[in-house]
Amino acid sequence: DAGVIQSPRHEVTEMGQEVTLRCKPISGHNSLFWYRQTMMRGLELLIYFNNNVPIDDSGMPEDRFSAKMPNASFSTLKIQPSEPRDSAVYFCASGALSGNTIYFGEGSWLTVV
Amino acid sequence: AQRVTQPEKLLSVFKGAPVELKCNYSYSGSPELFWYVQYSRQRLQLLLRHISRESIKGFTADLNKGETSFHLKKPFAQEEDSAMYYCAPLFMDTGRRALTFGSGTRLQVQP
Repeated sequence: DAGVIQSPRHEVTEMGQEVTLRCKPISGHNSLFWYRQTMMRGLELLIYFNNNVPIDDSGMPEDRFSAKMPNASFSTLKIQPSEPRDSAVYFCASGALSGNTIYFGEGSWLTVV
Repeated sequence: AQRVTQPEKLLSVFKGAPVELKCNYSYSGSPELFWYVQYSRQRLQLLLRHISRESIKGFTADLNKGETSFHLKKPFAQEEDSAMYYCAPLFMDTGRRALTFGSGTRLQVQP
């Protein structure tokens, strides 16, 4: 298995633009997590899904952020409009509901200028 | 409230020295406990899971329920151990089944 796959790996965008980050979880996993990593705040959970259903989105910073999981093999995290303070590494992770270990993608490095 | 604390931002040791990375949590129950490692600009990967005693690269961790700690240890550090280490408890009865990550400790192993 190729592991959790995220795209793009790097994105530089201008303030006000829409950003879409994508994630393909490991096949067979039915939990998916989006985390954000910054120097100031470390790793924060933004949202997670079980069986494609959002369970907890209390970590989503504000209405500019939205996440979807239309099927078991794909999720998106969208920021519209983007702001410089959104610059961070966004990690997607997946795991099996029957276990608690989660596996991370390589991250999407977002810079908003 | 549930909380995880890694008190050291940076730990610098020489090759061959013992290493202990501290992790404390506050929680009334018994969390499941993990350590993750992140090498430079790479993905986080599981290092150790307490419940299964899985471990890689010679690291161990002991759960001390009295002190609510889960410190990570290795008897002899290697240069390739230089990385960021995150303690990550799963607080089981909060209804939220997602790992909470500590702020991380950067381990520098000098030659």
